[in-house]
Amino acid sequence: EVHLVESGGGLVQPGGSLRLSCAASGFTFSSHWMHWVRQAPGGGLVWVSQIETDGTRTSYADSVRGRFTISRDNAKNTLYLQMDSLRADDTAVYYCGRFASGTFFWGQGTLVIVSS
Amino acid sequence: DIVMTQSPDSLAVSLGERATINCKSSQSVLNSSNNKNCLLWYQQKPGQPPRLLIYWASTRESGVPDRFSGSGSGTDFTLTINSLQAEDVAVYYCHQCYSPPYTFGQGTKLEI
Repeated sequence: EVHLVESGGGLVQPGGSLRLSCAASGFTFSSHWMHWVRQAPGGGLVWVSQIETDGTRTSYADSVRGRFTISRDNAKNTLYLQMDSLRADDTAVYYCGRFASGTFFWGQGTLVIVSS
Repeated sequence: DIVMTQSPDSLAVSLGERATINCKSSQSVLNSSNNKNCLLWYQQKPGQPPRLLIYWASTRESGVPDRFSGSGSGTDFTLTINSLQAEDVAVYYCHQCYSPPYTFGQGTKLEI
């Protein structure tokens, strides 16, 4: 059974940094592109970033490019999202997801609150 | 960027009736390599992650009741829920996986 467990969320001041982690199990992590999406309180789903199987190719939404960095450690079956220069509008639940054969599976999410 | 526009924003349907949600993409999401539309539908209930219902525009995910169906191609897609049940109250999203940024529709709130 596929499991994705996000962690690392919390309260951070504007301008601060946070690193999210996503522990994967139940599938061959190194064979799948992985993604992050987010959802602001009361808002819709917004795609944030993706990373190729070996980590060599990445893509970002315009709103986070230059501030967020996606990475992965295939030996640890873990996906990361390094978030720097955080702003109030980055406040959201962040979900990691596995893309496979046209499908997505999403974890339970971790809440990030950017506030002073 | 591909803009995904859902209609309506909200919908009230009686139990046992049919609900229809539309999704229009600003450009085609047809993947030429496999001739499939990279379009997904999700159901999301409060406090829960999105649950995949439909992928490749019309393929039902394992475990999803057959009252849920997806149709459409190119730029116009539809999610149909037949014989609406109380547990179907949720927000529904379409999502294109054709090209980054992999944009979502704004969501449709389904109520009884």
